[in-house]
Amino acid sequence: SHDLTQPPSVSVSPGQTASISCSGDELRDDYVCWYQWKAGQSPALVIFQGSRRPSGIPERFSASTSGNIATLTISGTQPMDEADYYCQAWDISTNVVFGGGTKLTVL
Amino acid sequence: EVQLLESGGGLVQPGGSLRVSCVASGFSFSTYAMDWVRQAPGKGLEWVSGFSGSDSRTFYADSVKGRFTISRDTFNNTLYLQMSRLRVEDTAVYYCVRRSDFWSGPNGHYHYYGMDVWGQGTTVTVSS
Repeated sequence: SHDLTQPPSVSVSPGQTASISCSGDELRDDYVCWYQWKAGQSPALVIFQGSRRPSGIPERFSASTSGNIATLTISGTQPMDEADYYCQAWDISTNVVFGGGTKLTVL
Repeated sequence: EVQLLESGGGLVQPGGSLRVSCVASGFSFSTYAMDWVRQAPGKGLEWVSGFSGSDSRTFYADSVKGRFTISRDTFNNTLYLQMSRLRVEDTAVYYCVRRSDFWSGPNGHYHYYGMDVWGQGTTVTVSS
């Protein structure tokens, strides 16, 4: 099994780039996802298979994995991107695991 | 429209039982894997249980194994989570989630595309 560690909070100014990290043992890029959770809504998938965006997710959302760290990057961050972000990984032993979540503040 | 609608949450005493339900619509329910994910007050997301779409296998987090049972009724497009021997720490909002995945090839390679549809959640409170 593995735990996923995210920073509790990240702050960014509008128009700047936000980066949210997710560290864990045995991270495999093709099994990493990211979710955006805005207040009053349900979580929404923004990245799957490490770097792919579902239809409807803006191009400013990107992600990658290097070693044991996955990173979600939001370029040209907008106020509407303010939300909690969760990384998630799958492996055959623990099935699905979520990171602890990162609160992104755009100010 | 693809939709998941949970129901059945409520207040239950420690040691008690409760069943939450999730009605799916707008997609071929029987062909998808489905999961339950919860969020306890002030905490993050926690995967609870999953039901395989391809072979009906079930999976559980260690925290609920032996106490919770996931099942589905494909005739009524409904996913269930039967919760028994409930603990205070099971207090959470429970989300029904659709998982996109499939197994392929002779060695059973797993393709995981994420949890792409979420319900609005149903609240379970375990308290005396």
